[in-house]
Amino acid sequence: QQQVKQSPQSLIVQKGGISIINCAYENTAFDYFPWYQQFPGKGPALLIAIRPDVSEKKEGRFTISFNKSAKQFSLHIMDSQPGDSATYFCAASPMEYGNKLVFGAGTILRVKS
Amino acid sequence: DAGVIQSPRHEVTEMGQEVTLRCKPISGHNSLFWYRQTMMRGLELLIYFNNNVPIDDSGMPEDRFSAKMPNASFSTLKIQPSEPRDSAVYFCASSLEARERGLGAFFGQGTRLTVV
Repeated sequence: QQQVKQSPQSLIVQKGGISIINCAYENTAFDYFPWYQQFPGKGPALLIAIRPDVSEKKEGRFTISFNKSAKQFSLHIMDSQPGDSATYFCAASPMEYGNKLVFGAGTILRVKS
Repeated sequence: DAGVIQSPRHEVTEMGQEVTLRCKPISGHNSLFWYRQTMMRGLELLIYFNNNVPIDDSGMPEDRFSAKMPNASFSTLKIQPSEPRDSAVYFCASSLEARERGLGAFFGQGTRLTVV
């Protein structure tokens, strides 16, 4: 059972463009929604995270939008750069288990220069 | 801090052999996670320790897999006997306890396991 559904599987964006990755979840026990970035040969690294009590969180060029009623959240990368080319994972964890994460399938982002 | 340290980085073994993966979490972290990453199944949580105690091992695929955390600075994941379908990248991650989870989980570099 895939508890966190992520789309698209892959994404190609021109340098300077906006990259948008979407995720949806079913389990209402989830209350922490991080995004991780993974480069080839490396482990995932936390990029940005949000709790359901806010609808948006911005850190630099990265923004999470959260829609609690729709059980959806998305990552926007503004002014996308070639260095942003990586695999992005959305994730969720339930309130009683800290960072016990359920990951989406991942989105391979390629930013063309 | 050097981050989460995993060893070995690469392991090639023959089917039927025992494999032991090692992890040193970040000092001060009290939660530790073992994940497995494959193309087909993505990132899967295998087991979660809190304060050295296994809290949830529901992701451990079979009895061939076992994990231990004898102290706060060391954990092992053992596969015995190994099978070709166990080939994957195994990640260890650590984090502070739940109320600090805004800081996220920190992943190691992973161990790429190939069972031939």
